[in-house]
Amino acid sequence: KAGVTQTPRYLIKTRGQQVTLSCSPISGHRSVSWYQQTPGQGLQFLFEYFSETQRNKGNFPGRFSGRQFSNSRSEMNVSTLELGDSALYLCASAGLAKHTNEQFFGPGTRLTVL
Amino acid sequence: KQEVTQIPAALSVPEGENLVLNCSFTDSAIYNLQWFRQDPGKGLTSLLLIQSSQREQTSGRLNASLDKSSGRSTLYIAASQPGDSATYLCAVGLDSSYKLIFGSGTRLLVRP
Repeated sequence: KAGVTQTPRYLIKTRGQQVTLSCSPISGHRSVSWYQQTPGQGLQFLFEYFSETQRNKGNFPGRFSGRQFSNSRSEMNVSTLELGDSALYLCASAGLAKHTNEQFFGPGTRLTVL
Repeated sequence: KQEVTQIPAALSVPEGENLVLNCSFTDSAIYNLQWFRQDPGKGLTSLLLIQSSQREQTSGRLNASLDKSSGRSTLYIAASQPGDSATYLCAVGLDSSYKLIFGSGTRLLVRP
């Protein structure tokens, strides 16, 4: 059974650009959450989508946005990139009753902003 | 506001030693607690999930306990191996949504 996949795995952008990251959850999972991981702040929750609806949002500026499609795949967009947006972006999926809230993470997208 | 703390930040032990990693949280009204490991530059691997009504969970050489009243969880690793070297993270779920609050992790090195 395939795990959570994220594309691309690595990205290099310059300040002011925008970027879109993609996450495909485990088959059957309806929830996708996004996290930002940096050495200084650790893992911080960005937002969570369930059945195409954003259910929860972390304390990030409006430059960070996301969406979820009917097949549960999710995208995250960051506009007007800043140097501080350099981070590992992780997505997690959940939603099978058997695992009751257990979350499974993808390998992450490493974003570098120059 | 829920805060999650992990002590120690780093730990180095010889192979074969049993060890305990600690996780504390400030608000006892949690929904669940999940332990993960993260290898350098990689994503998170789920180790154990403890529901708020449970006291412990076991998987192989790993045992996680939960004491909501004291705001603490421990991850016990028996007979440690060099392959256990990684960063261990605990995360608290606040409600039935999937938002997790993470600790800063314990970086474990098991020396051969």
